[in-house]
Amino acid sequence: QSALTQPASVTGSPGQSITISCTGTSSDVGGYNYVAWYQQHPGKAPKLMIYDVSDRPSGVSNRFSGSKSGNTASLTISGLQAEDEADYYCSSYTSSRIVVFGTGTKVAVL
Amino acid sequence: EVQLLESGGGLVQPGGSLRLSCAASGFTFSSYAMSWVRQAPGKGLEWVSGISAGRTFYPDSVKGRFTISRDNSNNTLYLQMNSLRAEDTAVYYCAMGYSSSSSWGQGTLATVSS
Repeated sequence: QSALTQPASVTGSPGQSITISCTGTSSDVGGYNYVAWYQQHPGKAPKLMIYDVSDRPSGVSNRFSGSKSGNTASLTISGLQAEDEADYYCSSYTSSRIVVFGTGTKVAVL
Repeated sequence: EVQLLESGGGLVQPGGSLRLSCAASGFTFSSYAMSWVRQAPGKGLEWVSGISAGRTFYPDSVKGRFTISRDNSNNTLYLQMNSLRAEDTAVYYCAMGYSSSSSWGQGTLATVSS
């Protein structure tokens, strides 16, 4: 039941694309298509950005996209904007029937 | 509009208990799995319990100490927390869903300290 591994920080310039990785095992990320991504601004509740690896909830910008290869999932933010500066967390359903979150990534926009 | 409103947080001594509540509205509560997620000060998110199709699930960090339950007639989710430790200090969020959560409450702070 270890946390999924994410980079501590990712930095990009406005308009650029960045990708955040989320590495797990065959018992979580690699074994199920139940990976989600959340955005959290300081002092706020998390917001669902991607579910089921690559699906976007209604109202979420199409600049956000998700994918998975093996035991690693990825979130890509294209056309980076100042408002995208936030913490991002991945999560995955696991073989233990619980959910595990990633360690979190702070995105900075230069 | 989906609304989730947590309550019940506060200051408790180590070894004590707290019962958190989450009042849900704006959706058919009984039709959805629900979860509790916590966030210690300055730290990341940690899933601490879920209830789906009447079954409950917990990570090892809280198993045997925390109990999730629901009252579908009153659209309320609960988290009973016993044998609390300092490391349980966190903001506790109620969330709609299980493998992914599309709506979250504003959170309630539980502080375990002597």
